[in-house]
Amino acid sequence: EADIYQTPRYLVIGTGKKITLECSQTMGHDKMYWYQQDPGMELHLIHYSYGVNSTEKGDLSSESTVSRIRTEHFPLTLESARPSHTSQYLCASSDSAWGDTQYFGPGTRLTVL
Amino acid sequence: DQQVKQNSPSLSVQEGRISILNCDYTNSMFDYFLWYKKYPAEGPTFLISISSIKDKNEDGRFTVFLNKSAKHLSLHIVPSQPGDSAVYFCAASTNAGGTSYGKLTFGQGTILTVHP
Repeated sequence: EADIYQTPRYLVIGTGKKITLECSQTMGHDKMYWYQQDPGMELHLIHYSYGVNSTEKGDLSSESTVSRIRTEHFPLTLESARPSHTSQYLCASSDSAWGDTQYFGPGTRLTVL
Repeated sequence: DQQVKQNSPSLSVQEGRISILNCDYTNSMFDYFLWYKKYPAEGPTFLISISSIKDKNEDGRFTVFLNKSAKHLSLHIVPSQPGDSAVYFCAASTNAGGTSYGKLTFGQGTILTVHP
């Protein structure tokens, strides 16, 4: 199972602030993902990466951006937070050699006031 | 268009009994299916998966059944324990393994409550 970490776990911030959500994994997985989930709803893919310098937008449109400069690190940035960005953000990773099982971090609960 | 559906928002069972969670899908290209368990304010935990070449996969108390003709899968938990109380998500993807892109499509989740 992957060791995958997200910080911060909880973040309350005012409108207009720039934020970066951190995600790191120690298993050397090549694929990484960001999902957004609202209470009682399914997870929606917002960004994914197949390796260093590879990033793609997911199925759900998001104003956030991501980068993949190192294999183990996949941060998500919001340049100007708004209340509509309030949600839980989940990071995941997977190893192609073992199929499509994704392993998730603990998530970041973001609240924008 | 929701390609993966969990039509039961919640399920309540007695400790020691069987829990059966259901999931339907519409995309016939899906060939790999997974079940995740999620507690509030935590990330999903992988439970069990099944490839489309199989119709059953077991791991301890957890068994997943796949009926491709009906585009239906189910998760059986026997015996159910109070610690199993959580939200359960099914997920599906295409092109399992190898150079697949591994994008998962999730259902809405089913809240399982196991009473002592």
